[in-house]
Amino acid sequence: EAGVAQSPRYKIIEKRQSVAFWCNPISGHATLYWYQQILGQGPKLLIQFQNNGVVDDSQLPKDRFSAERLKGVDSTLKIQPAKLEDSAVYLCASRGLGGNTIYFGEGSWLTVV
Amino acid sequence: LAKTTQPISMDSYEGQEVNITCSHNNIATNDYITWYQQFPSQGPRFIIQGYKTKVTNEVASLFIPADRKSSTLSLPRVSLSDTAVYYCLAYRNSGNTPLVFGKGTRLSVIA
Repeated sequence: EAGVAQSPRYKIIEKRQSVAFWCNPISGHATLYWYQQILGQGPKLLIQFQNNGVVDDSQLPKDRFSAERLKGVDSTLKIQPAKLEDSAVYLCASRGLGGNTIYFGEGSWLTVV
Repeated sequence: LAKTTQPISMDSYEGQEVNITCSHNNIATNDYITWYQQFPSQGPRFIIQGYKTKVTNEVASLFIPADRKSSTLSLPRVSLSDTAVYYCLAYRNSGNTPLVFGKGTRLSVIA
């Protein structure tokens, strides 16, 4: 079974530029999460989708971050404009309907300079 | 979800058994205890989950006493490749509750 796929794996951008990360969850998984993990800390939830609807985006900095999951399958997380403090790993995760395990991708590493 | 507290770091020699204790005094009736492992440059990986007493799989054992206010992850005979961060989480397996991570325990295994 294929895992959660994310791209790009690494990205370096200058502050005020924009960046987009893509995630393809495990096939059939209805719930998709985006987490942000700053070095030395645990992952922090940014947004959660159930199919193509947003369940929780209370910790998403909406002035610069946006995310979508238009067809209820893959998802894109965008940052525009980026700030230095956005340097982090962006983790995508998914869970199947009724499943009790959340599966993570390897993450997309962002460095803002 | 209940807040969990665990040691920031632990060191162990290869071949030893490692026990990481997590406290969760305010755990709710329908919360499970879940442990994830994270290697550098990778996303967290599910290790084990339990509700009460003891759960064992090919990777670890999880001990949860009757009052469920704490739990212990036991890793038998660790090797260098077990060096990672281990997260203890309270997980509600209902609806779409996400995982809420703390800082985890950084385990360093020494040869």
